[in-house]
Amino acid sequence: GQQLNQSPQSMFIQEGEDVSMNCTSSSIFNTWLWYKQDPGEGPVLLIALYKAGELTSNGRLTAQFGITRKDSFLNISASIPSDVGIYFCAGPCDNYGQNFVFGPGTRLSVLP
Amino acid sequence: DAGVTQSPTHLIKTRGQQVTLRCSPKSGHDTVSWYQQALGQGPQFIFQYYEEEERQRGNFPDRFSGHQYPNYSSELNVNALLLGDSALYLCASSFWNYYGYTFGSGTRLTVV
Repeated sequence: GQQLNQSPQSMFIQEGEDVSMNCTSSSIFNTWLWYKQDPGEGPVLLIALYKAGELTSNGRLTAQFGITRKDSFLNISASIPSDVGIYFCAGPCDNYGQNFVFGPGTRLSVLP
Repeated sequence: DAGVTQSPTHLIKTRGQQVTLRCSPKSGHDTVSWYQQALGQGPQFIFQYYEEEERQRGNFPDRFSGHQYPNYSSELNVNALLLGDSALYLCASSFWNYYGYTFGSGTRLTVV
């Protein structure tokens, strides 16, 4: 089946630093999603990508759909304490694109 | 406007027992998907319900079953519980044919 890998698994950064994380797939995707999960909560959608090479921003977050369609990248600029959480990438696991396979996540810790 | 509501929030069951988890979708949403999230992992798709029928299913055994009611609320049933079924169970609702999920906060199931 489809598998997603995320790196790094975890990262500790200083407040104000920029963050980069990535996601790779064993399959080609036509959609990439990035979610954030806070402790005790369900994942919340941050950014959706629909086309190879697409670059999309949401505030301090920027995500890119890799040109091979097997990878995606998420960058966070000028990190703040509320960026702490687990970041998941996801791609469709069915032909309708309504349900998703998730990566194992990148756990972000921000040190003041 | 209430988001996705799941009950109970926590549950402890004994191996071999059966469990029912409940989900009320976000107002206006007609489609419910269920995910299992083991500790330290990303969510895994179980199945999706629309118009009271199971529409898509992930790689889960028949011990996992569900139901959707005319008011769009949904239940996840797990029979013959195994220790490995211990996880956070997430419900996500959406409009049919639209990828945009809203996740609930989940039910934490512990099997002892």
